[in-house]
This record gives sequence, C-alpha cells and structure tokens, in this order.
Amino acid sequence: AQSVAQPEDQVNVAEGNPLTVKCTYSVSGNPYLFWYVQYPNRGLQFLLKYITGDNLVKGSYGFEAEFNKSQTSFHLKKPSALVSDSALYFCASLYGNKLVFGAGTILRVKS
Amino acid sequence: GAVVSQHPSWVICKSGTSVKIECRSLDFQATTMFWYRQFPKQSLMLMATSNEGSKATYEQGVEKDKFLINHASLTLSTLTVTSAHPEDSSFYICSARDPTAASGSYEQYFGPGTRLTVT
Repeated sequence: AQSVAQPEDQVNVAEGNPLTVKCTYSVSGNPYLFWYVQYPNRGLQFLLKYITGDNLVKGSYGFEAEFNKSQTSFHLKKPSALVSDSALYFCASLYGNKLVFGAGTILRVKS
Repeated sequence: GAVVSQHPSWVICKSGTSVKIECRSLDFQATTMFWYRQFPKQSLMLMATSNEGSKATYEQGVEKDKFLINHASLTLSTLTVTSAHPEDSSFYICSARDPTAASGSYEQYFGPGTRLTVT
C-alpha cells in the first residue's frame, strides 16, 4: 500500500537556524513525491516535487528537499528559517492520479 | 502557476439543508478535479475524483448520495452536501491538475478551501 509518514507532529526552530521537516514514504515502483504548505484557513501551496533526476530538489521560498532512496526519505529543508515559514507542511506521494498525504507537520519558527 | 478558486470561502447552514460548493479552474481547463475534506489539525482526506462529463469516483467510505459531485464543464466542479448534519462541518478543499502543463509536472493546484459549519 502507498503511504507517507511524517513522524513529527510539530517542529520548533529559532529564526535564522536551519530547519528540517521529515518525511518517509512507502510506495511501489518509482515514487513521485511532493511538499505542500498550508497557512491557516487556506488551501495548499505547492513547494517542490521529486519525479526523477537530481536527488536534491530546490523549490519555492528557499526550500529544498533531498530524495534518499536507501532511506526512503524526502526531508524538507531550509538553510535559514523565517518566522513567516510558520505553517502546516504536508508531504505527499502520487499514486496513480491521486495524492496520498502524510499527517502533516506544524512548523513554528520563533524570533 | 495555475489558479483554482472556490466559492464560498465559508458557509453556515442549518441542519437538514443542502449546501453547494463551487471549484473553478481560472486559467486552465481541468478534465479532472479532486475533492478533499480536512478536519482541524489533520491531514487531507480524498473524498472523490471529479471527472468532466462523467460520474465522479468516490473513495471508500464516502457516501455518494450525501456528497453529490457534478463536473459539468472543464472549468467547474461542484460539491453539494445534502441534508447536512453537524458532523459534516469541516474544511473542504478542491484541487485540479493542468493537463496542458509540461509533461512530468504532475502537481495539483489547490483551491483556498471552504469552511462549512452546520448548526
């Protein structure tokens, strides 16, 4: 079965510090992986994706993610966190035509 | 990027009434749209896949007679919550893929969501 796990309900980081939001996947075949961000009472905004190619994927707002096949992980990273990065982050995998989402991780960046 | 809108952004209705939520792709034509439900501080649950010109495909456990989906045009899908009850209160989000996007793009574009409160 296709599944995505985000092991942390919440991640706290100080502004200016690097951040990591973790995601692991369990899929059959080649994974198509995505990160989305959701601000309160809003829809999801696309950050980045891995389909094929370089394992390090760069996306919007300075975010990047590293695809690691041996560890079945796709962690989201940013070198220097901003308070405005505080939001709910979802990792997702494409299964056929459907997106399968992880449970989400709340990121809190404190000044 | 492609833009998806939803209307209304929030709605309050009385128990037993029906509510219609619209999802529009503003700058592209979407043959397929998706409807999700999200409870507070939880993930998105796919309810159904809306296919233009044909019946929607519902996920297991979703009542098709309660959540009516119509995809009458390439830019509009509607979700009607019939005979709403308080337990139907939730955040409903739609998404769509742009079929003209570059091959291998795959991402879905999400609407801003509709907050439904049933009293």
